[in-house]
Amino acid sequence: EIVMTQSPGTLSVSPGERVTLSCGASQSVRSNLAWYQQKAGQAPRLLIYGASTRATGVPARFSGSGSGTEFTLTISSLQSDDFAVYSCQQYNNWPYTFGQGTKLEIK
Amino acid sequence: EVQLVESGGGLVQPGGSLTLSCAVSGLTFRKYWMTWVRQAPGKGLEWVANINHDASVKNFLDSVRGRFSISRDFAKNSLYLQMDSLRAEDTALYYCATDGGTGLSIWGQGTTVTVSS
Repeated sequence: EIVMTQSPGTLSVSPGERVTLSCGASQSVRSNLAWYQQKAGQAPRLLIYGASTRATGVPARFSGSGSGTEFTLTISSLQSDDFAVYSCQQYNNWPYTFGQGTKLEIK
Repeated sequence: EVQLVESGGGLVQPGGSLTLSCAVSGLTFRKYWMTWVRQAPGKGLEWVANINHDASVKNFLDSVRGRFSISRDFAKNSLYLQMDSLRAEDTALYYCATDGGTGLSIWGQGTTVTVSS
């Protein structure tokens, strides 16, 4: 099983700031990496797939990069709507494992 | 409008069984792999199982293999998760989601399973 590790666990940031979240894989997942946003009480929402492709309707302030074992999700200028938990998931090998999530909270 | 609606959750005793359903509408059901993901209270997401377009391929998380089964009914546009020998650690919110090969793009709102005596 591929272990996905996200850092940090929690990040306190101010609206308007640029933030970068990290996700690491215990072995290469090539570019088969997705990012999800989950707000309290809601289902996850797909943000990024293929490590860097934005899903339909996702604002351009969200960008993803990386391949192999190291990935990042960058939000260029945080909006109030962006405070949520962000999780990465590899879909290269079954089981398609998730990271434990990074919570963005308002500073 | 695309909708995935889960049902069938509830309170069950350890060792018991439960069948979850996911009704799919607004998309061509047979085009998609389908997946079950769960989230224990206060925890992260955990991929549980998936099934391919024609139900010929099924994959499971190690901890549920042999206890859970996944199936789909094309006539009813529905996905199922049959859960047997339930344990306390299976307690979670269970989501169904579509898998188009590029991440899990459409999710339901989930159904809660609680395993407790």
